[in-house]
Amino acid sequence: GAGVSQSPSNKVTEKGKDVELRCDPISGHTALYWYRQSLGQGLEFLIYFQGNSAPDKSGLPSDRFSAERTGGSVSTLTIQRTQQEDSAVYLCASSLFPAQVSSYNSPLHFGNGTRLTVT
Amino acid sequence: KNEVEQSPQNLTAQEGEFITINCSYSVGISALHWLQQHPGGGIVSLFMLSSGKKKHGRLIATINIQEKHSSLHITASHPRDSAVYICAVFSQGGSEKLVFGKGTKLTVNP
Repeated sequence: GAGVSQSPSNKVTEKGKDVELRCDPISGHTALYWYRQSLGQGLEFLIYFQGNSAPDKSGLPSDRFSAERTGGSVSTLTIQRTQQEDSAVYLCASSLFPAQVSSYNSPLHFGNGTRLTVT
Repeated sequence: KNEVEQSPQNLTAQEGEFITINCSYSVGISALHWLQQHPGGGIVSLFMLSSGKKKHGRLIATINIQEKHSSLHITASHPRDSAVYICAVFSQGGSEKLVFGKGTKLTVNP
């Protein structure tokens, strides 16, 4: 596809259930980022992938959150034992190169996000 | 205090007006992004800059590294410019962690 694709677009789950959120970055993009946008909180960084490695996981809020990337492409963000405070829009972005390598030539491309509601 | 501060939080303008949105940051940065988020939620990267000035159509972004300040200007504003504009920075030192401002909600009335 032409852009970053995220699925599902909406997810409603019961407290305590596990959820998986998927991100398909633009083909060839080496850098992939997950962000979270909570109501009234603004955007916050969760994790960064370069290829299949995650050099920076510093934004993951707890050990209930994990993410992986396979084949240098698709990434999955997993939230275990969901809590109501996990309700947010989860956004994925990709870029051709990491920002620190080539800031000028690697703009970020965002997906439309997954809106997660934990009831 | 947030590392990235934007002003104003909300801005209402009449069509045709010149718009300025400000962003101040407190850390050393390698690059600064201006992002646009439409009511539907999609985010588009408008500019990425680390010095000087960039222009794209009616949009102009400037940055002053010494003063740790950036501005986004919109000339001849139009109702379709109504969106939330977000400033975000990559800090120095090799981090890929993007730190976001809280956004400026712009409404342009016809």
